[in-house]
Amino acid sequence: KNQVEQSPQSLIILEGKNCTLQCNYTVSPFSNLRWYKQDTGRGPVSLTIMTFSENTKSNGRYTATLDADTKQSSLHITASQLSDSASYICVVSAGGGADGLTFGKGTHLIIQP
Amino acid sequence: EAQVTQNPRYLITVTGKKLTVTCSQNMNHEYMSWYRQDPGLGLRQIYYSMNVEVTDKGDVPEGYKVSRKEKRNFPLILESPSPNQTSLYFCASSFRDRNTGELFFGEGSRLTVL
Repeated sequence: KNQVEQSPQSLIILEGKNCTLQCNYTVSPFSNLRWYKQDTGRGPVSLTIMTFSENTKSNGRYTATLDADTKQSSLHITASQLSDSASYICVVSAGGGADGLTFGKGTHLIIQP
Repeated sequence: EAQVTQNPRYLITVTGKKLTVTCSQNMNHEYMSWYRQDPGLGLRQIYYSMNVEVTDKGDVPEGYKVSRKEKRNFPLILESPSPNQTSLYFCASSFRDRNTGELFFGEGSRLTVL
């Protein structure tokens, strides 16, 4: 069964600090991996989409990495801001078929002033 | 502005009273989907549609119905809501090849069934 595991479940850091969120997956075949940001009570918003051949992708202060060999991804947030407080969801696509997307349960990040 | 619009955003209802949550997108997307989100369980797919008049069950379809009569609309119907359907619901859309395309989510509909 395809699975996406995220860690930690929750994280609290001080404003201005960096942090890294982890995503491990067992999805086959692999098409792409996405990171979404979900503010409390709002819909998820896409941060990055990475295909098999991409190792690193940045979106402002957000940098995602992908190691397709070990089936791991990370999302690094640099110089955190209060607005980064949100849940971050890792989603892996199996590439075609009716059940193509597998969602992680998310990491809840809190930035404290 | 490109968006997915859900209504209502908040709803409190009673067991057994039929309700419909509407979803509309203005991006000409073929693919649309409904998810529910519960604490500790993440997003789970209820139903999806690859195009007009084509719908399929997701992971948790029991107690729900959908229809896709027009490309832009994908309503979620609860014929006889029960308390275990209390949840936060999201509609999403993308171009047909959704496994490489970005998935756009609505703002969510918080449903409480008493």
